[in-house]
Amino acid sequence: SQQGEEDPQALSIQEGENATMNCSYKTSINNLQWYRQNSGRGLVHLILIRSNEREKHSGRLRVTLDTSKKSSSLLITASRAADTASYFCATDAKGAQKLVFGQGTRLTINP
Amino acid sequence: EAGVTQFPSHSVIEKGQTVTLRCDPISGHDNLYWYRRVMGKEIKFLLHFVKESKQDESGMPNNRFLAERTGGTYSTLKVQPAELEDSGVYFCASSLWTGGPDTQYFGPGTRLTVL
Repeated sequence: SQQGEEDPQALSIQEGENATMNCSYKTSINNLQWYRQNSGRGLVHLILIRSNEREKHSGRLRVTLDTSKKSSSLLITASRAADTASYFCATDAKGAQKLVFGQGTRLTINP
Repeated sequence: EAGVTQFPSHSVIEKGQTVTLRCDPISGHDNLYWYRRVMGKEIKFLLHFVKESKQDESGMPNNRFLAERTGGTYSTLKVQPAELEDSGVYFCASSLWTGGPDTQYFGPGTRLTVL
C-alpha cells in the first residue's frame, strides 16, 4: 500500500537556521501536501503541490517534488521558535481522495 | 469562518464501553473524512463521506466502528464496544472538493483512551 515516510524522524536546529525535511512515497500520486501539528493541536495545512509541479513556495516554505524518485522535501528558511512542531507529508493517489500520511518529522527550534 | 470542530476533545472510557465522537465540518463542505492516529503509528484514513453518503470506508478497522452523517452536516463516529487498541487520536477533516486538488482542513482531534 502507498505510504509516505518522512526523514529524519526528529530534527533539532538553532533559531534562524534552515530546516529540511524529506518525504518518500510508493505509488503514483495526484498531489502531495504538507501539514504541521503543534503539540496537542490539530493538523494545519501548509502547502499543496500537484504531481505536475516541481517546486512551490509559500512565505518561508519551499516544497519540491520529484515524481521520478517519488520524493518531496519541505524547506523552512530562517526558522523561528514557533516553527517547533511535527510535520507530515500526505499524498492522495489518482482516483482517490483519502490522504496517506507519513509518520512525521518532529522539528525542534532552539532559541 | 469557523473551522472543523470536534467533540469531545478527550474521552477516557473502559474496555467494553461505548463512545461517540462528533465532528462538525466547515459550513458548506460536502466532503468529510475521519482519520486516526494510534500510539506510535502514522495517521490513517478511516472513511470518507460525500454529503450523507459513504464514498469510501475502506479504512474502517472492523464492525465495532460505525460512522454516520445524517443530513449531510455533522458526523458521528461510534465505537462499540471499545477495545484497548482503539486508543488514539481521532481526526476529522472536511473539504470543498469540486474536482481539483483537495485541500482537507482538519479539526483538533479527539483523544480517546480506552482503559
